[in-house]
Formats: sequence, structure tokens, C-alpha cells
Amino acid sequence: DAGVIQSPRHEVTEMGQEVTLRCKPISGHNSLFWYRQTMMRGLELLIYFNNNVPIDDSGMPEDRFSAKMPNASFSTLKIQPSEPRDSAVYFCASSLSGTGNQPQHFGDGTRLSIL
Amino acid sequence: SQQGEEDPQALSIQEGENATMNCSYKTSINNLQWYRQNSGRGLVHLILIRSNEREKHSGRLRVTLDTSKKSSSLLITASRAADTASYFCATNTGNQFYFGTGTSLTVIP
Repeated sequence: DAGVIQSPRHEVTEMGQEVTLRCKPISGHNSLFWYRQTMMRGLELLIYFNNNVPIDDSGMPEDRFSAKMPNASFSTLKIQPSEPRDSAVYFCASSLSGTGNQPQHFGDGTRLSIL
Repeated sequence: SQQGEEDPQALSIQEGENATMNCSYKTSINNLQWYRQNSGRGLVHLILIRSNEREKHSGRLRVTLDTSKKSSSLLITASRAADTASYFCATNTGNQFYFGTGTSLTVIP
């Protein structure tokens, strides 16, 4: 079975540029999560969707961050404009439901470096 | 913050020994999950224990949950070099999900 697929795996760009991270969840999963992982702050939940609808975006750090899920098989996380402090590993995860009673399946992440 | 905190932050043991790591959290939870993360990879789900359960087993893994103390422990028995990874607890309260700070486990062959 294909797991959660994220692209790109690595992204290096200059500050001020727009960055778009992509995620394909596991087919049949109804919930999708975006996380950010840094040494200083650990793993932080940014936003999650149930049935393509954003449920909680309280973790999105600021207006420069936006996430969309136009259909059940695709989501994007966009940063515009990017800043050096956005450098982190960004993970996408999906689960059968967002109730928290199901395990989350993670992609291998996008390692983002903003110069 | 509701974020769980794992203890110890780092653990180094010999192959064949048991490894125990602990997780503490701050408020009532629906369930608690443990995940493993190998270097450069995403997290992998290990086990879920519900708030009304006290102990759960899966292969060489044993998880306990003490809701009165707001703590959980993960025991890995007969450790192997392949168990070297970071281990995280994750708590769920309704719509919120919080991951702990992780325990880095090194199993020396």
C-alpha cells in the first residue's frame, strides 16, 4: 500500500520566496494533518482537515502560512513570503478519522531551508 | 501547554536489555499513542491506549497508562539495534493533538 506521499523531500530557497509543500494522503483516509518539527519546538500541529474541511488552524503561526485541501487526495501548505525562521521539517499525516482514536500515518517530510 | 514530556531525553542501552521511557501530560485525555521516528523519516505509529485502559501489549512493546498520575510508560523488551530511534508520546483531547518532546534511544550492538 502506498503511504502518505510528500513533495518535495528537500527545498532550499531564499527568504521572501513563495514555498509550496504538497501532500497526498492514504486513499480512504478522511483526516489530514500538517506538522512542523524543529529542534527548539519539537513537533507542532499546524492545521488539520476532516473530509477536506479545515477543522483547527490555531497552530498556523501567522498569516504567511496557508493550507488547502481541494479534494480528498491532495493538500498543500504554502508559505508566502518565506523567512529563515520557517526552516524546519514539515510533515503531513493522514488517518481514517480525526477523532484521535485512529493512528496517524506520516509521510517522510519536506526538509525546508530558507536562506 | 498540554504537551507531553518524555523522560529521559536520551537513553543508551546494550542490545538485549529492556528500555523504558516515560511520558507525562497535563490534562485529561481521550487516548495516548506512542510513535517511533527513525532519523530522516516520518513518525510511525506503535500503539494506542485508551483512557479507560491500564496496560496494552504489542509484540515486544508494553504500554501502561496511569490517568491519576497523568503518565504513561513504554517498555521495549529484548532491545535490538534496529530499535534505535526517537520515541514520542502523543495525547488527544477532542480536536487537539499534542506530541511530546521525545526520547532518543540508542541500542548498542
